[in-house]
Amino acid sequence: DQQVKQNSPSLSVQEGRISILNCDYTNSMFDYFLWYKKYPAEGPTFLISISSIKDKNEDGRFTVFLNKSAKHLSLHIVPSQPGDSAVYFCAASTGTGTASKLTFGTGTRLQVTL
Amino acid sequence: SAVISQKPSRDICQRGTSLTIQCQVDSQVTMMFWYRQQPGQSLTLIATANQGSEATYESGFVIDKFPISRPNLTFSTLTVSNMSPEDSSIYLCSAWTGLQETQYFGPGTRLLVL
Repeated sequence: DQQVKQNSPSLSVQEGRISILNCDYTNSMFDYFLWYKKYPAEGPTFLISISSIKDKNEDGRFTVFLNKSAKHLSLHIVPSQPGDSAVYFCAASTGTGTASKLTFGTGTRLQVTL
Repeated sequence: SAVISQKPSRDICQRGTSLTIQCQVDSQVTMMFWYRQQPGQSLTLIATANQGSEATYESGFVIDKFPISRPNLTFSTLTVSNMSPEDSSIYLCSAWTGLQETQYFGPGTRLLVL
């Protein structure tokens, strides 16, 4: 049972445009959400997070939106840069934030083209 | 933040053998975790490594197959025992420092079992 889903395995965006990566979840107990970026042969790197008490969190070019009623979150990257090309994972946790189990989606491979 | 290293970075092993993966953090951390990423899959939590006591395993993972040690607050090992080709995966160590709401990940150990 995949509790966190990223339905787009890949996305191609032109440099300078907006990248929108989507994530859906089924477990209503999730109350903390994170986005990680992963380059080949490296571990996931934390990008941005959001608590369920918020519906938006922004950090530079990265903004995460949370729609609790739809059990949906999205990551916006504006403007997209070639260095953003990587696999992006969304993850979710319950109760104790990231002191406990993270449940990951299957990832979306973002390709930013020139 | 925390910087995490893993050894080995990759290995090719024969079925029936065992491999121990080491995870070293550059500072004392509250929690350490072991994840597995099978080909084309998301990251799945194997267990929480508890300092000074037995690890806490997720459903589907057992101590006999994945024994874990955590002798102190900066180091942990995961052993993959009696390996089969189905154990071919990337194994990742992560840590939670208690100070920031994210888990930091090591670069992963890429294991191929023949």
